[in-house]
Amino acid sequence: SQQGEEDPQALSIQEGENATMNCSYKTSINNLQWYRQNSGRGLVHLILIRSNEREKHSGRLRVTLDTSKKSSSLLITASRAADTASYFCATGQGAQKLVFGQGTRLTINP
Amino acid sequence: EAGVAQSPRYKIIEKRQSVAFWCNPISGHATLYWYQQILGQGPKLLIQFQNNGVVDDSQLPKDRFSAERLKGVDSTLKIQPAKLEDSAVYLCASSLSPGSNQPQHFGDGTRLSIL
Repeated sequence: SQQGEEDPQALSIQEGENATMNCSYKTSINNLQWYRQNSGRGLVHLILIRSNEREKHSGRLRVTLDTSKKSSSLLITASRAADTASYFCATGQGAQKLVFGQGTRLTINP
Repeated sequence: EAGVAQSPRYKIIEKRQSVAFWCNPISGHATLYWYQQILGQGPKLLIQFQNNGVVDDSQLPKDRFSAERLKGVDSTLKIQPAKLEDSAVYLCASSLSPGSNQPQHFGDGTRLSIL
């Protein structure tokens, strides 16, 4: 079963704009990870946020986590054409299990 | 460091035939995962190995799917016999150690089409 639900399913913006994707989940988690997948390629790990953290930054990426609302958001600032990809949240459940959501397809228009 | 290697990249077979996929994880990574990704969905874990032992195979359809990691390094995933619903991308991933807080490193997958 898939835990995280990303919203929106698809997002199209202009280059230079900010992109925000949301992830909601149902059970308690140890951590939450975000991955990117370019067309025809494998997933690439972007960032991990632990359940006791509220916000984390990495370059142009900003991730927030609200465990009371069981939700997370990924913000990509100053988007570029190369950011076009699918983005997945993955929730760490228990000691070993990582469960992926359905993903958000992001398109950056030049 | 070299990434996760998978082969073949593409495979087309007819239903009821058998197929095998191969994965070579990043050197030194003890944990290996096989995922099934159906078009438009996120990856679904099929099986997780820690060295050559199985940690989780709860979502592996064991009547037709099998996987092994005999020497704790390379792994193969087999489907026999294949069904139309098995059309998907099969992704292999590895991590340094088990644990849901470990980043996973993915190969580019094998795209399987069942006719």
